[in-house]
Parts: sequence; structure tokens; C-alpha cells
Amino acid sequence: ELKVEQNPLFLSMQEGKNYTIYCNYSTTSDRLYWYRQDPGKSLESLFVLLSNGAVKQEGRLMASLDTKARLSTLHITAAVHDLSATYFCAAQPYSNYQLIWGAGTKLIIKP
Amino acid sequence: DAGVIQSPRHEVTEMGQEVTLRCKPISGHDYLFWYRQTMMRGLELLIYFNNNVPIDDSGMPEDRFSAKMPNASFSTLKIQPSEPRDSAVYFCASRQDDAVYTFGSGTRLTVV
Repeated sequence: ELKVEQNPLFLSMQEGKNYTIYCNYSTTSDRLYWYRQDPGKSLESLFVLLSNGAVKQEGRLMASLDTKARLSTLHITAAVHDLSATYFCAAQPYSNYQLIWGAGTKLIIKP
Repeated sequence: DAGVIQSPRHEVTEMGQEVTLRCKPISGHDYLFWYRQTMMRGLELLIYFNNNVPIDDSGMPEDRFSAKMPNASFSTLKIQPSEPRDSAVYFCASRQDDAVYTFGSGTRLTVV
């Protein structure tokens, strides 16, 4: 059974700092997703990672995938207040389209 | 495209009443998913459809919940009778083969 663990679950950081959110999954997965959710809002797709070594970047966010370690990371560079949100990773099993979600990382960036 | 459209945005109902949530997926998307989000349990998949056919409903909590997709542009999630523990945000999402999952704005359901 595929399980997904994120850490940390809560992160408070200063603007301008760098940090990384980790997403571990328990068995092989077809693909790995990262989503962002603002309070009271929907989930916004950030990245889809399809293969080992995949790296994608958008602005101050960069996501990577290591399928051998069953690990994905979301790296935040020089954080700004607008990046405050909850970030979720989700893995898709090979067998179906059911996404298995991490618990989410609540990120607060202080000015 | 207007994205995935859900209605209503908010619903407050009394325990025992029937509740119907609605979803219009993105045109051309073959898959439709219903999720529930709570603080305690996070995001839970309730059911998903492929080409209007239910594929996996193992996440539907109990017989009080039912979902239909009569055509490619419309789906409903019904709770009858509703209970306070059903209070949550219900999301609908759709995807095309090999594409990202696009979520609707959600319906915040409160059962009092």
C-alpha cells in the first residue's frame, strides 16, 4: 500500500531564507505531484514529476524527484511572504488514478 | 476554459436533511474525482469516474453517500441523511489522460 509522508508539517521562516520540504513515499509510484493551497481556497497544481532525476522550477520554487530513494523535495529559495501557504505532495500508484496525499506542510513566511 | 465549477460554494443544513453537491468538469477531461478535506483526516478520495463510469468508490464513507455522473459535463455527490460529522470541504477535480488534476473551488458543507 502506497503511503506518503511529508515533513515538516509546519514551518515558520523569515523572508530571504532558503528551506526544503521533504516528501517520502513508501512504494514505487508512477508520478509525484506538488500542490499549493491558500487558506479557504482550492488546490493549485505546482509541479508534476514523472521520472527519476526530474527537476522542475517555477520562480522561487524548485521540485525534484529521486525514485530510488522514494523522495521528492520542494525547495524554496529566498522566501517571500507571498509563498505562505500549505504545500501538499501526492503520489499516484501505477495501478490506478487515486492520488495518495501527504498531510501537508503549512508554511508561514514572516516579513 | 472556466475550470472545474462546483456549486454551491457554501451549504449549511440541518442534520437529517439531504444535501446535493454539483460539479462541472473541464470539457474533454475523462476523469472526475470527488474529495473530502477535513483538518483531522486531510484529503480523502471518495470516488472517481472514468468516462462517466464509477471506477473506485471504496472511499465513500457509507451508504448515506452516493455519486452520479449522468454525462461528461456533470456530476453530483449526494448525502442523505446528512450528519454533523459530514461537515467538511468537498472538492471535485478532473483530469485528462496524462495530465494534472485540476480542482474546483470546493463546497464548504456545515451540518448543524
